[in-house]
Amino acid sequence: DTAVSQTPKYLVTQMGNDKSIKCEQNLGHDTMYWYKQDSKKFLKIMFSYNNKELIINETVPNRFSPKSPDKAHLNLHINSLELGDSAVYFCASSRRDRGLLNTEAFFGQGTRLTVV
Amino acid sequence: KNEVEQSPQNLTAQEGEFITINCSYSVGISALHWLQQHPGGGIVSLFMLSSGKKKHGRLIATINIQEKHSSLHITASHPRDSAVYICAVRWATSGSRLTFGEGTQLTVNP
Repeated sequence: DTAVSQTPKYLVTQMGNDKSIKCEQNLGHDTMYWYKQDSKKFLKIMFSYNNKELIINETVPNRFSPKSPDKAHLNLHINSLELGDSAVYFCASSRRDRGLLNTEAFFGQGTRLTVV
Repeated sequence: KNEVEQSPQNLTAQEGEFITINCSYSVGISALHWLQQHPGGGIVSLFMLSSGKKKHGRLIATINIQEKHSSLHITASHPRDSAVYICAVRWATSGSRLTFGEGTQLTVNP
């Protein structure tokens, strides 16, 4: 019974391609997040959605577009992939957002994206 | 600039040792998290603190709001505790802005 699941786990693609990473949570949470972990293992938030509404959008290039069809899903679409996009992307969810950290957070297993 | 600093960056211990990982932050926060990232990459939330102390099994987390400092303690450490431990804060005056420390790589040898 996976709480937060991401697919795919690994993604290798060429520069310039468009790719999507999917995330689903079965916890009934209202809020979902995308985080990026760089090669130095440093985590940074990218986006947060609360009940399908965008509430956090850090300084992420326009090539990254989150899509939330319903509150159980938050997908990440990336256009025109660049070498620097290579990283591990984590999806997470929590109960109604007060900035993630006021409620327990549950993370997906991560998607390792490699752009060649 | 709002910052989160963890120390040490790397820590090697022998099984059974008491371990402390520290987290300091620069300005007021509304809450602080300790996260654990397993060697396989998965992230688990260990604690969420806004004051005082929390305990779960062999793990203890404390926070001193006045000193802007939190510690994560592991008692009777075990090789399975080997992981990266990450401190993360929500700043009190920055809405939903979130900042993570760089993590502490813990290795516990048998």
